[in-house]
Amino acid sequence: AQKVTQAQTEISVVEKEDVTLDCVYETRDTTYYLFWYKQPPSGELVFLIRRNSFDEQNEISGRYSWNFQKSTSSFNFTITASQVVDSAVYFCALSGGAGTALIFGKGTTLSVSS
Amino acid sequence: GAVVSQHPSRVICKSGTSVKIECRSLDFQATTMFWYRQFPKQSLMLMATSNEGSKATYEQGVEKDKFLINHASLTLSTLTVTSAHPEDSSFYICSANLAGGPNEQYFGPGTRLTVT
Repeated sequence: AQKVTQAQTEISVVEKEDVTLDCVYETRDTTYYLFWYKQPPSGELVFLIRRNSFDEQNEISGRYSWNFQKSTSSFNFTITASQVVDSAVYFCALSGGAGTALIFGKGTTLSVSS
Repeated sequence: GAVVSQHPSRVICKSGTSVKIECRSLDFQATTMFWYRQFPKQSLMLMATSNEGSKATYEQGVEKDKFLINHASLTLSTLTVTSAHPEDSSFYICSANLAGGPNEQYFGPGTRLTVT
């Protein structure tokens, strides 16, 4: 069975601090996809990244970076120099091959104060 | 990028009535669409998988006679909540899978249903 665990329910930081959101997944598939989404109070999901199981390269996009490690089944997300606008719920998700649904973790609520 | 719309964005209905939610892929064809439900402060849970031209596949615990799904075309799927009750109040989100793509999924903005 597939499963996504986000052990951190809530994180609070002060602006400019770096913060890492953890994600651990379980799957028996050899081909799978990992995702991160941001959900602000409006509710609309904002796509951040998609990674397939064959691409273990870490990715950096501005203040965002992702560390994918198959050996530990983890796909962690780091925000550098956090800002108040980063406050939201962040979901890590997993899916199998084409045409399959996403399985979401329970989400981590990030609060960034000024 | 690909756009998925949902209508309505918010709806309030009385207990016992039915509500229809539309999910449209605006600029691409989607052979598969998914319906998720999100209760307050919880995660998204898959309700059903909607395939164009065939019956939807429901997840365990989701009543197919209560949540009617129709995927009549490659760009439209509808979810009808029949005989709605207050416990059906939730945020309903659809996603569309790009036909032939490597599992690129695009989410709609969601529909907030409140049953009074």
